[in-house]
Amino acid sequence: DAMVIQNPRYQVTQFGKPVTLSCSQTLNHNVMYWYQQKSSQAPKLLFHYYDKDFNNEADTPDNFQSRRPNTSFCFLDIRSPGLGDAAMYLCATSAVYNQPQHFGDGTRLSIL
Amino acid sequence: GENVEQHPSTLSVQEGDSAVIKCTYSDSASNYFPWYKQELGKGPQLIIDIRSNVGEKKDQRIAVTLNKTAKHFSLHITETQPEDSAVYFCAVGGGSQGNLIFGKGTKLSVKP
Repeated sequence: DAMVIQNPRYQVTQFGKPVTLSCSQTLNHNVMYWYQQKSSQAPKLLFHYYDKDFNNEADTPDNFQSRRPNTSFCFLDIRSPGLGDAAMYLCATSAVYNQPQHFGDGTRLSIL
Repeated sequence: GENVEQHPSTLSVQEGDSAVIKCTYSDSASNYFPWYKQELGKGPQLIIDIRSNVGEKKDQRIAVTLNKTAKHFSLHITETQPEDSAVYFCAVGGGSQGNLIFGKGTKLSVKP
Protein backbone atom coordinates (compact mmCIF):
# COMPACT_ATOMS: atom_id res chain seq x y z
CA ASP A 1 0.00 0.00 0.00
CA ALA A 2 1.82 3.05 -1.27
CA MET A 3 1.28 5.92 1.17
CA VAL A 4 3.34 8.67 -0.48
CA ILE A 5 3.19 8.52 -4.24
CA GLN A 6 5.34 10.55 -6.56
CA ASN A 7 4.72 10.96 -10.26
CA PRO A 8 6.39 10.57 -12.56
CA ARG A 9 9.28 8.38 -11.38
CA TYR A 10 11.47 9.76 -14.17
CA GLN A 11 11.15 13.15 -15.81
CA VAL A 12 13.21 14.57 -18.64
CA THR A 13 12.93 18.24 -19.52
CA GLN A 14 14.82 20.74 -21.58
CA PHE A 15 17.02 23.47 -20.21
CA GLY A 16 14.77 26.40 -19.27
CA LYS A 17 11.48 24.56 -19.85
CA PRO A 18 9.16 24.62 -16.82
CA VAL A 19 8.46 21.32 -15.16
CA THR A 20 6.06 20.17 -12.43
CA LEU A 21 6.52 17.20 -10.14
CA SER A 22 3.65 15.84 -8.12
CA CYS A 23 3.20 14.11 -4.79
CA SER A 24 0.12 12.62 -3.20
CA GLN A 25 -0.44 11.03 0.18
CA THR A 26 -3.04 8.74 1.73
CA LEU A 27 -1.90 9.33 5.33
CA ASN A 28 -3.83 12.55 5.90
CA HIS A 29 -0.68 14.10 7.34
CA ASN A 30 -0.49 17.80 8.07
CA VAL A 31 3.07 18.33 6.88
CA MET A 32 4.41 17.77 3.36
CA TYR A 33 8.08 18.27 2.50
CA TRP A 34 10.08 18.58 -0.71
CA TYR A 35 13.73 17.53 -0.70
CA GLN A 36 16.38 17.63 -3.38
CA GLN A 37 18.92 14.79 -3.35
CA LYS A 38 21.96 14.72 -5.57
CA SER A 39 24.12 11.69 -6.10
CA SER A 40 25.84 10.40 -2.94
CA GLN A 41 24.45 13.26 -0.86
CA ALA A 42 21.92 13.63 1.91
CA PRO A 43 18.43 14.93 1.13
CA LYS A 44 18.33 18.73 1.20
CA LEU A 45 15.10 20.34 2.34
CA LEU A 46 13.72 22.87 -0.16
CA PHE A 47 10.46 23.81 1.59
CA HIS A 48 7.48 22.37 3.38
CA TYR A 49 3.82 22.99 4.06
CA TYR A 50 2.27 22.68 7.46
CA ASP A 51 -1.35 22.43 6.39
CA LYS A 52 -1.70 25.52 4.18
CA ASP A 53 1.25 27.39 5.65
CA PHE A 54 4.24 27.49 3.32
CA ASN A 55 7.74 27.46 4.80
CA ASN A 56 10.66 28.13 2.51
CA GLU A 57 14.27 27.31 3.36
CA ALA A 58 16.52 30.35 3.23
CA ASP A 59 18.83 28.92 0.58
CA THR A 60 16.17 27.54 -1.77
CA PRO A 61 16.48 29.28 -5.15
CA ASP A 62 13.55 31.40 -6.35
CA ASN A 63 13.38 29.09 -9.36
CA PHE A 64 11.66 26.52 -7.13
CA GLN A 65 8.03 26.99 -6.17
CA SER A 66 5.42 24.79 -4.55
CA ARG A 67 1.65 24.45 -4.38
CA ARG A 68 -0.57 22.48 -2.04
CA PRO A 69 -4.15 22.68 -3.32
CA ASN A 70 -5.49 20.27 -0.69
CA THR A 71 -4.32 17.95 2.10
CA SER A 72 -3.50 15.08 -0.23
CA PHE A 73 -1.53 16.75 -3.01
CA CYS A 74 1.59 18.87 -3.24
CA PHE A 75 3.44 20.05 -6.35
CA LEU A 76 6.98 21.18 -7.01
CA ASP A 77 7.36 23.66 -9.86
CA ILE A 78 10.74 24.46 -11.37
CA ARG A 79 10.25 27.55 -13.48
CA SER A 80 13.44 27.51 -15.55
CA PRO A 81 15.44 24.35 -14.92
CA GLY A 82 19.19 24.59 -15.20
CA LEU A 83 21.68 21.74 -15.56
CA GLY A 84 22.41 22.00 -11.84
CA ASP A 85 18.80 21.12 -11.02
CA ALA A 86 19.23 17.55 -12.26
CA ALA A 87 18.63 15.46 -9.16
CA MET A 88 16.26 13.14 -7.33
CA TYR A 89 13.32 15.03 -5.83
CA LEU A 90 11.80 13.44 -2.76
CA CYS A 91 8.44 14.16 -1.18
CA ALA A 92 7.82 13.27 2.46
CA THR A 93 5.00 13.67 4.94
CA SER A 94 4.65 13.68 8.70
CA ALA A 95 1.66 14.00 11.00
CA VAL A 96 3.17 17.00 12.78
CA TYR A 97 6.71 18.24 13.35
CA ASN A 98 9.22 15.83 14.90
CA GLN A 99 7.22 12.79 13.99
CA PRO A 100 8.42 10.11 11.56
CA GLN A 101 8.68 11.31 8.00
CA HIS A 102 7.36 8.99 5.30
CA PHE A 103 9.10 9.34 1.95
CA GLY A 104 7.97 8.59 -1.56
CA ASP A 105 10.33 6.87 -3.96
CA GLY A 106 11.20 10.14 -5.66
CA THR A 107 11.22 11.60 -9.13
CA ARG A 108 14.53 11.55 -10.94
CA LEU A 109 14.79 14.73 -13.02
CA SER A 110 17.12 14.96 -16.00
CA ILE A 111 17.83 18.19 -17.88
CA LEU A 112 18.77 18.10 -21.57
CA GLY B 1 22.14 26.10 13.59
CA GLU B 2 22.26 22.34 14.08
CA ASN B 3 25.29 20.46 12.73
CA VAL B 4 25.10 16.69 12.25
CA GLU B 5 28.20 14.63 11.54
CA GLN B 6 28.00 10.96 10.53
CA HIS B 7 30.80 8.39 10.45
CA PRO B 8 32.00 6.36 8.70
CA SER B 9 31.05 7.37 5.16
CA THR B 10 31.56 3.79 3.95
CA LEU B 11 31.48 0.53 5.87
CA SER B 12 32.13 -2.97 4.61
CA VAL B 13 31.41 -6.02 6.77
CA GLN B 14 31.14 -9.77 6.33
CA GLU B 15 27.73 -11.35 6.50
CA GLY B 16 26.91 -12.18 10.10
CA ASP B 17 29.14 -9.48 11.58
CA SER B 18 27.85 -6.38 13.36
CA ALA B 19 27.84 -2.87 11.93
CA VAL B 20 27.90 0.38 13.88
CA ILE B 21 27.30 3.87 12.51
CA LYS B 22 27.74 6.96 14.67
CA CYS B 23 26.34 10.47 14.54
CA THR B 24 27.04 13.56 16.58
CA TYR B 25 24.95 16.71 16.83
CA SER B 26 25.45 20.18 18.22
CA ASP B 27 22.06 21.54 19.40
CA SER B 28 21.32 20.39 22.94
CA ALA B 29 17.62 21.21 22.37
CA SER B 30 17.31 18.46 19.75
CA ASN B 31 15.12 15.62 20.97
CA TYR B 32 14.25 13.35 18.05
CA PHE B 33 16.76 11.02 16.36
CA PRO B 34 15.58 8.84 13.46
CA TRP B 35 17.60 6.53 11.22
CA TYR B 36 16.74 5.98 7.57
CA LYS B 37 17.76 3.27 5.11
CA GLN B 38 17.88 4.17 1.43
CA GLU B 39 18.17 1.50 -1.22
CA LEU B 40 19.20 2.33 -4.76
CA GLY B 41 16.46 4.11 -6.67
CA LYS B 42 14.15 4.37 -3.67
CA GLY B 43 13.24 6.94 -1.07
CA PRO B 44 14.60 6.80 2.47
CA GLN B 45 12.74 4.42 4.74
CA LEU B 46 12.54 4.93 8.49
CA ILE B 47 14.04 1.92 10.26
CA ILE B 48 14.18 3.07 13.88
CA ASP B 49 13.96 6.25 15.90
CA ILE B 50 14.58 7.36 19.46
CA ARG B 51 13.58 10.33 21.57
CA SER B 52 15.69 12.11 24.13
CA ASN B 53 13.95 10.59 27.14
CA VAL B 54 15.19 7.12 26.18
CA GLY B 55 18.78 5.86 26.13
CA GLU B 56 18.36 2.78 23.97
CA LYS B 57 15.78 1.21 21.68
CA LYS B 58 15.87 -2.15 19.95
CA ASP B 59 13.89 -3.72 17.13
CA GLN B 60 15.02 -7.24 16.26
CA ARG B 61 18.53 -6.91 14.75
CA ILE B 62 18.55 -3.12 14.88
CA ALA B 63 19.25 -0.95 17.90
CA VAL B 64 19.89 2.73 18.52
CA THR B 65 21.69 4.19 21.52
CA LEU B 66 21.65 7.83 22.57
CA ASN B 67 24.07 9.73 24.81
CA LYS B 68 22.52 13.16 25.36
CA THR B 69 25.38 14.41 27.48
CA ALA B 70 27.92 13.71 24.77
CA LYS B 71 25.44 14.57 21.99
CA HIS B 72 25.92 11.42 20.00
CA PHE B 73 23.79 8.48 18.93
CA SER B 74 24.58 5.24 17.15
CA LEU B 75 22.91 2.64 14.96
CA HIS B 76 23.79 -0.98 15.65
CA ILE B 77 22.95 -3.76 13.21
CA THR B 78 23.70 -7.30 14.38
CA GLU B 79 23.93 -10.47 12.29
CA THR B 80 24.16 -8.46 9.10
CA GLN B 81 22.70 -9.86 5.90
CA PRO B 82 23.35 -8.93 2.25
CA GLU B 83 19.95 -7.22 2.11
CA ASP B 84 21.16 -4.78 4.76
CA SER B 85 23.41 -3.27 2.08
CA ALA B 86 22.20 0.31 1.51
CA VAL B 87 22.93 3.91 2.45
CA TYR B 88 21.98 4.78 6.01
CA PHE B 89 21.21 8.34 7.13
CA CYS B 90 20.92 9.62 10.66
CA ALA B 91 18.82 12.70 11.28
CA VAL B 92 18.17 15.09 14.14
CA GLY B 93 14.97 16.96 14.92
CA GLY B 94 13.24 18.97 17.58
CA GLY B 95 15.82 21.68 17.98
CA SER B 96 15.57 25.32 17.05
CA GLN B 97 15.49 24.52 13.33
CA GLY B 98 12.10 22.80 13.47
CA ASN B 99 12.87 20.25 10.75
CA LEU B 100 15.08 17.21 10.35
CA ILE B 101 18.76 17.77 9.72
CA PHE B 102 20.36 14.80 7.97
CA GLY B 103 23.84 13.39 8.27
CA LYS B 104 25.78 12.81 5.06
CA GLY B 105 25.09 9.10 4.99
CA THR B 106 26.97 5.81 5.35
CA LYS B 107 27.17 3.32 2.52
CA LEU B 108 27.03 -0.12 4.11
CA SER B 109 28.14 -3.15 2.10
CA VAL B 110 27.56 -6.64 3.50
CA LYS B 111 29.65 -9.27 1.77
CA PRO B 112 28.22 -12.79 1.55
